[in-house]
Amino acid sequence: SQKIEQNSEALNIQEGKTATLTCNYTNYSPAYLQWYRQDPGRGPVFLLLIRENEKEKRKERLKVTFDTTLKQSLFHITASQPADSATYLCALSLGSGGSNYKLTFGKGTLLTVNP
Amino acid sequence: DAGVIQSPRHEVTEMGQEVTLRCKPISGHNSLFWYRQTMMRGLELLIYFNNNVPIDDSGMPEDRFSAKMPNASFSTLKIQPSEPRDSAVYFCAIHQAGGAGRKDTQYFGPGTRLTVL
Repeated sequence: SQKIEQNSEALNIQEGKTATLTCNYTNYSPAYLQWYRQDPGRGPVFLLLIRENEKEKRKERLKVTFDTTLKQSLFHITASQPADSATYLCALSLGSGGSNYKLTFGKGTLLTVNP
Repeated sequence: DAGVIQSPRHEVTEMGQEVTLRCKPISGHNSLFWYRQTMMRGLELLIYFNNNVPIDDSGMPEDRFSAKMPNASFSTLKIQPSEPRDSAVYFCAIHQAGGAGRKDTQYFGPGTRLTVL
């Protein structure tokens, strides 16, 4: 069966350091992978999308890599700030169109950035 | 959250009662999704609609759950009868096709926290 694992349930880092979160999957050939941020009491918010033919994507302090051979994505937050503290979810999809909009989510990693 | 309105935000009910969760998405979407989130199982897709038609309901746990989308601006998720194990946060999300930066992503509502006693 398809399985998505995020490396740890919780990650604590010091302000200013780079946070690295991992998403691994098995029995899946996603067309693209997405990362979402979820704050307590709120719905997930989209951050970045990376396609199967892309190796890396950046947005401000965020960077995502996608290795379809290793079946792994890494999510980096550089120069982390306490405001980055949240749960980060990875999600996989088969692609665009019709039923392929369906996303399968990992359970998330709770990131805490200590001042 | 501004693109999807969910009500109620919190619901406490007793086992056996009927529960109806509501979702009002903004216009311009093609697909609408209902998810359930628990600590144990994470975020799970229950059902989704494309152009108001149910496409995949394989995530609906059992016959006690039903969902409707009578028009593009409204959807409901009903649980009848409710059980304690249904306690979770239920999210509605939409997919917006087209537009730079919005393609292939989902926009979630704030969720409804359901507690079944």
